Parts: sequence; structure tokens; C-alpha cells
Amino acid sequence: DAEITQSPRHKITETGRQVTLACHQTWNHNNMFWYRQDLGHGLRLIHYSYGVHDTNKGEVSDGYSVSRSNTEDLPLTLESAASSQTSVYFCASSDGTSGLQETQYFGPGTRLLVL
Amino acid sequence: ILNVEQSPQSLHVQEGDSTNFTCSFPSSNFYALHWYRWETAKSPEALFVMTLNGDEKKKGRISATLNTKEGYSYLYIKGSQPEDSATYLCAPRGGNNRLAFGKGNQVVVIP
Repeated sequence: DAEITQSPRHKITETGRQVTLACHQTWNHNNMFWYRQDLGHGLRLIHYSYGVHDTNKGEVSDGYSVSRSNTEDLPLTLESAASSQTSVYFCASSDGTSGLQETQYFGPGTRLLVL
Repeated sequence: ILNVEQSPQSLHVQEGDSTNFTCSFPSSNFYALHWYRWETAKSPEALFVMTLNGDEKKKGRISATLNTKEGYSYLYIKGSQPEDSATYLCAPRGGNNRLAFGKGNQVVVIP
């Protein structure tokens, strides 16, 4: 069955380290998204991509980067991890052809702790 | 960034009772409204997508309505069951084709 996976599921890192969170989908979806979820906030968009080699900043992109070298993967990199980036990160994808009815499908999440 | 308000933020419901909650969003620049269901320790799952004023959608005991002119959507749960316990996320889609998620309505159904 097609799916969207994230790895690792849990990560502890230290301030200043570079961290990369993986997201892989097997639906052949054009669109991929990264969100973070924190207490007191809804899901906030970090970066998104509408296709290979396309990347765009979301509302909370500072300190994060993404690259899209193929359809299946959108890795999220924290250039220099900060304690404020402790959060749960969700990757999502959508097919990019369904217009307004388009639904995003979410991965299981990665819980990141920056010490 | 669309300003999305969901109320109440959390509610406790007795098993068998019905309940409803609200999502408010800017009525201008509206394209679609998504509802997601998010169970603890799982990932959000799509419930409904609505685009037209007056739209109503239903899935089992859960239904939703949409008023695009005044900028709100209601989600109803009829005869709540413990398995309905979850956070329900509202997400309007704006002109930038991105979803703006509210903070959610957390529902706890008490057996």
C-alpha cells in the first residue's frame, strides 16, 4: 500500500547541531509539506514543495531548509538546532491535481528534542 | 496567513450526548474548508472538504456545515462514543493554495 513515512520517529540532539528529518511518500504526489506542532498553536507550515526542484517558505521557515531532488522525498534540515525548534514535526503530501478538493495525507510525525 | 478560530478549545461530552463546535475564518478570499480528525499518538486524517456556501457533509455520526458568507463551519457529533475522542482540526484554504490550520477542538467522550 502507498504510504508516507517519517524518520526518525524520535530524535534528541544538542543545540548547534545540524539535523535532518526524512519524509518519504510512495503515492507519487507532486506536493509535499512540512509542519510543526506546538502546544497552543495549530499546525504551522515550515516549507512546502509543488514538485521536483521546487521549494517554498512557509510561515515559520527561519532556521529550516528543504530540498526536493525527486518526487518521493522532502528532507527537512535544521541548519543549527535551537531549543525553540523542539517540537513535533509532520510531513504531508497531496497529489497536486485535485484542485480545491485536494486532501493532504500526513505522516506519523517526528518528535524532536533539542537540548 | 489566515486567522482561524476554533471554539471551544476543549470539551468533555458524556457518551451518547451530541455536541458541536465552531470554526471561524475570514470570509474573503475563501476557496475551501477542510476538517481533519486527529487522534492522540496518530497523525491527522481528512474528514471533509467543503467548498460551497451551504455545503453539508456527513460521515457516520459526524457531520459538518459551511457558511462562506459569514465565515464559519460547524462540526456536529451525534450520539458521541468514546472512539470519537480526538482533536478536530479546521483548515481553510486561501488564495495561496495552502491550508491554514486552527488550534483544534479537543473532544473527550466520557463513558
